[in-house]
Amino acid sequence: DTEVTQTPKHLVMGMTNKKSLKCEQHMGHRAMYWYKQKAKKPPELMFVYSYEKLSINESVPSRFSPECPNSSLLNLHLHALQPEDSALYLCASSHPGDQPQHFGDGTRLSIL
Amino acid sequence: EDKVVQSPLSLVVHEGDTVTLNCSYEVTNFRSLLWYKQEKKAPTFLFMLTSSGIEKKSGRLSSILDKKELFSILNITATQTGDSAVYLCAVDLSGGTYKYIFGTGTRLKVLA
Repeated sequence: DTEVTQTPKHLVMGMTNKKSLKCEQHMGHRAMYWYKQKAKKPPELMFVYSYEKLSINESVPSRFSPECPNSSLLNLHLHALQPEDSALYLCASSHPGDQPQHFGDGTRLSIL
Repeated sequence: EDKVVQSPLSLVVHEGDTVTLNCSYEVTNFRSLLWYKQEKKAPTFLFMLTSSGIEKKSGRLSSILDKKELFSILNITATQTGDSAVYLCAVDLSGGTYKYIFGTGTRLKVLA
């Protein structure tokens, strides 16, 4: 088990559904990240929040909408996803600055 | 374009062997290089290297960075089946972006 908790662990949804992924950490980290990982590929950065403000959006389609309600929580709202969005979605957190990122176990998302 | 390249892509060894994994990089603003181990879920942090020539060691694993030649190696001695995983190298870009560039990973399989 990691110190970054992601829920749900698995999610299957249709292309017209709306769902949310949740990430929580209690390490006092002020930077939080969403990554997408396809099979046999490295993680690809999607979004970075620093001190609850969005600091990086890697040109992610608007059907993915991040939200950082407080310093411990990070959500990823999903709407009208495509089959190619099926992947492992990883959340990470770190102290801003020269500190390693710590990853959650991810949510395995399947789009039907 | 920022780039991180790992070699070999995959490796099969027997228990007790020593392995060396390679990571080379070309980035505009280097802050640190990190090694992660990924089994089925979360990448777990192994090492962070910022200074050239200083070896980091943890049990049977060790790593060193050469900032002049722009590469790092990860050594695993006396391998065990539990070392089977994908080993990811990431470069942390400086400038307050908190952005990692990941290599493609090396898939290591240790046979009993």
